[in-house]
Amino acid sequence: AQSVTQLDSQVPVFEEAPVELRCNYSSSVSVYLFWYVQYPNQGLQLLLKYLSGSTLVKGINGFEAEFNKSQTSFHLRKPSVHISDTAEYFCAVTLNSGGYQKVTFGTGTKLQVIP
Amino acid sequence: EPEVTQTPSHQVTQMGQEVILRCVPISNHLYFYWYRQILGQKVEFLVSFYNNEISEKSEIFDDQFSVERPDGSNFTLKIRSTKLEDSAMYFCASVRDSNEYGYTFGSGTRLTVV
Repeated sequence: AQSVTQLDSQVPVFEEAPVELRCNYSSSVSVYLFWYVQYPNQGLQLLLKYLSGSTLVKGINGFEAEFNKSQTSFHLRKPSVHISDTAEYFCAVTLNSGGYQKVTFGTGTKLQVIP
Repeated sequence: EPEVTQTPSHQVTQMGQEVILRCVPISNHLYFYWYRQILGQKVEFLVSFYNNEISEKSEIFDDQFSVERPDGSNFTLKIRSTKLEDSAMYFCASVRDSNEYGYTFGSGTRLTVV
């Protein structure tokens, strides 16, 4: 079975500073990886996904993530954060096995952007 | 952009009562899911639904839970006899087909059992 670890439960960062949110996964088979964002009192929005191809994936709102198979990581980065990026970010994984997809989520990282 | 719609946004119910959470998936989507998020915890898979039947369910999805797609547009989650520990945010999600990865989630229903 697959699993996802987000070691940082909260990450405070000053506005316009860079940020990296860490995600490591575990799976015995090939996977697809995702980052979702949850703004306060809202649902889950897909930020970006890695299915295959280039290991650097660009998403919405200036975020990007890099798939590193040897380190089993999929860290999320943004070079300059805004106040509006304050939200909870979830890393997620699903097996690359075709058919329907059950997604396993990490515990989430709360990004707090400080003015 | 198409949305997954969930109603109500917040429901308060007494322990032991039945609740039905409603979802309208995106119209051309074929796979439907329910997830829940207990406050402060991670998002957990409950059940997946395809071709009018359950594809997979988690250990959480016991006999108290059921899902239905009664009319080709709504997708409902019923909890027959709610417990305090059922209090959570419930998310509905849908995806068009098995080759498209990345769900579209609804905004959730916050269920509070008192």
